[in-house]
Amino acid sequence: AQSVTQPDIHITVSEGASLELRCNYSYGATPYLFWYVQSPGQGLQLLLKYFSGDTLVQGIKGFEAEFKRSQSSFNLRKPSVHWSDAAEYFCAVETSGTYKYIFGTGTRLKVLA
Amino acid sequence: GAVVSQHPSWVICKSGTSVKIECRSLDFQATTMFWYRQFPKQSLMLMATSNEGSKATYEQGVEKDKFLINHASLTLSTLTVTSAHPEDSSFYICSRATSTDTQYFGPGTRLTVL
Repeated sequence: AQSVTQPDIHITVSEGASLELRCNYSYGATPYLFWYVQSPGQGLQLLLKYFSGDTLVQGIKGFEAEFKRSQSSFNLRKPSVHWSDAAEYFCAVETSGTYKYIFGTGTRLKVLA
Repeated sequence: GAVVSQHPSWVICKSGTSVKIECRSLDFQATTMFWYRQFPKQSLMLMATSNEGSKATYEQGVEKDKFLINHASLTLSTLTVTSAHPEDSSFYICSRATSTDTQYFGPGTRLTVL
């Protein structure tokens, strides 16, 4: 069965520091991969997605993610975190064409001033 | 701007009553919408796929008689929690799909059953 693992439940970083949020998936083929951010009172917002092609994808708000097939990973990165990045981040996979997402358990990011 | 809205954003009801949650696609006609449930500090779990003009498709373990879904128009899907009990308290989120396998999510509805 497909699954998504986000090993870090909480991460705290200082403003201006770099960030990496981990995501590992279990799936027989290459799934469609997504990162969403959830802020209080707002819906999940798509940061970036990977379907195929270049394994390094750029997203909004300065985020990027790298698909590594050999490690079944799709880690999210940002070189310099801003206080407004504090939120919950979800990694999701979709079996191509089904529209059905499987979400990871999320990583809550805290940013220290 | 938001492309999916939900109403209400939060609701409190008494045990045994029914609650209806609306999900609207604001910018696009959506033949397919999705309903998720999110428990505190946990992930989103897909409950059902809402199909315009036809019956919803429920995920395994989701009680279709408890969670009634109606998708009567291309911009509106509703989730009715029938005979709600405290264990139904949760955060309910809807989304609509796009042609590019991307989903846009609503802001969610917090349901508290007393």
